[in-house]
Amino acid sequence: GAGVSQSPSNKVTEKGKDVELRCDPISGHTALYWYRQSLGQGLEFLIYFQGNSAPDKSGLPSDRFSAERTGGSVSTLTIQRTQQEDSAVYLCASSGRHRGLYNEQFFGPGTRLTVL
Amino acid sequence: QKEVEQDPGPLSVPEGAIVSLNCTYSNSAFQYFMWYRQYSRKGPELLMYTYSSGNKEDGRFTAQVDKSSKYISLFIRDSQPSDSATYLCAMSEVGADGLTFGKGTHLIIQP
Repeated sequence: GAGVSQSPSNKVTEKGKDVELRCDPISGHTALYWYRQSLGQGLEFLIYFQGNSAPDKSGLPSDRFSAERTGGSVSTLTIQRTQQEDSAVYLCASSGRHRGLYNEQFFGPGTRLTVL
Repeated sequence: QKEVEQDPGPLSVPEGAIVSLNCTYSNSAFQYFMWYRQYSRKGPELLMYTYSSGNKEDGRFTAQVDKSSKYISLFIRDSQPSDSATYLCAMSEVGADGLTFGKGTHLIIQP
């Protein structure tokens, strides 16, 4: 079946502009995760959704970052007033969630964001 | 100190060699330990997963967890050029939402 898909695959924007990144999880996966992969920094966990709800938003780097999920499926990560330090690969993952047990996270290919 | 430390490499070895990749961590509450492989411009894919301490083998890959030393390893036997990639260790506490990753080790297998 289809894996996690993300769009766009690449995004170049000017400093100060807003951007929206989209994630389509694997069908039937209730849990969805956003990570950021910066050069030399590894993957950094941003936010997690169970269904449409994000119980903890403290991983978002600043209040310029927001995320939503609708219909228990597609999620968007929005970055307002982009800064050069936002340049990174933004990865989305999904899993079938059973709290307290291990749930394999399946990753999408990522969106490569470049802020000029 | 980061929660998870991993040597970024690059690590270059000849084809057929045994490769050893390692991570150390500081959070004793971590219970799930994973190794992901990431090819250039692709998302990470899960290679191995281990719960708590012990060894796990899958084909040419063996994962080891030593919780007393807070040290995990991935061994690759009979390495192939197609194994050239970045290998990321990841771990989490029971019930945690996200994974905590190392920075990844860039592995190059020379034909």
